[in-house]
Amino acid sequence: AQSVTQPDIHITVSEGASLELRCNYSYGATPYLFWYVQSPGQGLQLLLKYFSGDTLVQGIKGFEAEFKRSQSSFNLRKPSVHWSDAAEYFCAVGVPGPYKYIFGTGTRLKVLA
Amino acid sequence: KAGVTQTPRYLIKTRGQQVTLSCSPISGHRSVSWYQQTPGQGLQFLFEYFSETQRNKGNFPGRFSGRQFSNSRSEMNVSTLELGDSALYLCASSPQGVTDTQYFGPGTRLTVL
Repeated sequence: AQSVTQPDIHITVSEGASLELRCNYSYGATPYLFWYVQSPGQGLQLLLKYFSGDTLVQGIKGFEAEFKRSQSSFNLRKPSVHWSDAAEYFCAVGVPGPYKYIFGTGTRLKVLA
Repeated sequence: KAGVTQTPRYLIKTRGQQVTLSCSPISGHRSVSWYQQTPGQGLQFLFEYFSETQRNKGNFPGRFSGRQFSNSRSEMNVSTLELGDSALYLCASSPQGVTDTQYFGPGTRLTVL
């Protein structure tokens, strides 16, 4: 069965530090891959997506993600975290047959001043 | 373009009642998907509508239903409410379907007493 795993429920980093949020998926082929961010009381906002091609994907707000087929991973990174990045981050895959979205359980990011 | 709007933003109901939530997608988007978000289960896919037809459905009981109108606006109905239905219900729209970028609304917070 298809699944998405975000192994870190909570992550705390200091402002200015680098960030990496992990995402692993289980699917027989390469799915469509997404990272979304959810701020308190808000809906989800797309940070970036991977459909095919270059495995390093640039997104909004300085985020990037790298697709590694051999590891079935799509980790999100940011070189320098800002206090406003504190939020919950969701990895998602889109799979066909019939098409659906599967979300990971989310990683809540806390940023220390 | 205006974003995805959801009404109402907050609802309080009692067990056994029914509720209808509304979602207006981004203009031109034909696909509307619904998700349930709870602390315990995370984000779970309810169903997707495309051109007034339910195209995909998640693993939810028949008490959860929806429909889409010719202008792509969608409604979700939950009958015979249970305490466990308390959740944030998110609607997302996309041009063609769930493997496109989905744009999420702010959600409707449903509390069942």
